[in-house]
Amino acid sequence: DSGVTQTPKHLITATGQRVTLRCSPRSGDLSVYWYQQSLDQGLQFLIQYYNGEERAKGNILERFSAQQFPDLHSELNLSSLELGDSALYFCASSVGGQVNSPLHFGNGTRLTVT
Amino acid sequence: DAKTTQPTSMDCAEGRAANLPCNHSTISGNEYVYWYRQIHSQGPQYIIHGLKNNETNEMASLIITEDRKSSTLILPHATLRDTAVYYCIVRQAAGNKLTFGGGTRVLVKP
Repeated sequence: DSGVTQTPKHLITATGQRVTLRCSPRSGDLSVYWYQQSLDQGLQFLIQYYNGEERAKGNILERFSAQQFPDLHSELNLSSLELGDSALYFCASSVGGQVNSPLHFGNGTRLTVT
Repeated sequence: DAKTTQPTSMDCAEGRAANLPCNHSTISGNEYVYWYRQIHSQGPQYIIHGLKNNETNEMASLIITEDRKSSTLILPHATLRDTAVYYCIVRQAAGNKLTFGGGTRVLVKP
């Protein structure tokens, strides 16, 4: 158990809808990262937050947004969903932003868009 | 991020040591080598990381060559539960993200 909690585990929704994925980092971790894993793309970095502030952005679509709250939990919002958004979404956390601070991943949310 | 090269797949026998190679010839002096694994569709699991010295923990050993252009992850006694995709990642000092490549699909056989 990595200590990172993601909810829900599974989500099935229709095209055009909006969903929110939630992540609780490990106790004491200030950084949260979001990744997307689809069958043909591998693990892709989306976005990172550190203590409530956006720190880095990857291949995140404009239809997607995220935030980190004062209690350090994070939410990833996906809107105007398309079939291609079906994927596993992973959250990871680390103590800080240092290069020698490992990321610890949750077990993901499996999103199916029909 | 510095690019890494790993074999696409490898088999190893249960109970034997598994040696997973990784080339990272363009690594910079302040970049760390990280290893993760992903079992089926679970979240990636942190294994070990290092800068230039060899490292060992309860899961594995990491051997980094003196020129830092390659490394080897050693699982000392492979079990069937070690079957997974193993990712070697070079992490920049300036950035915080991990960039995953294709990894090595390791199959541990009885």
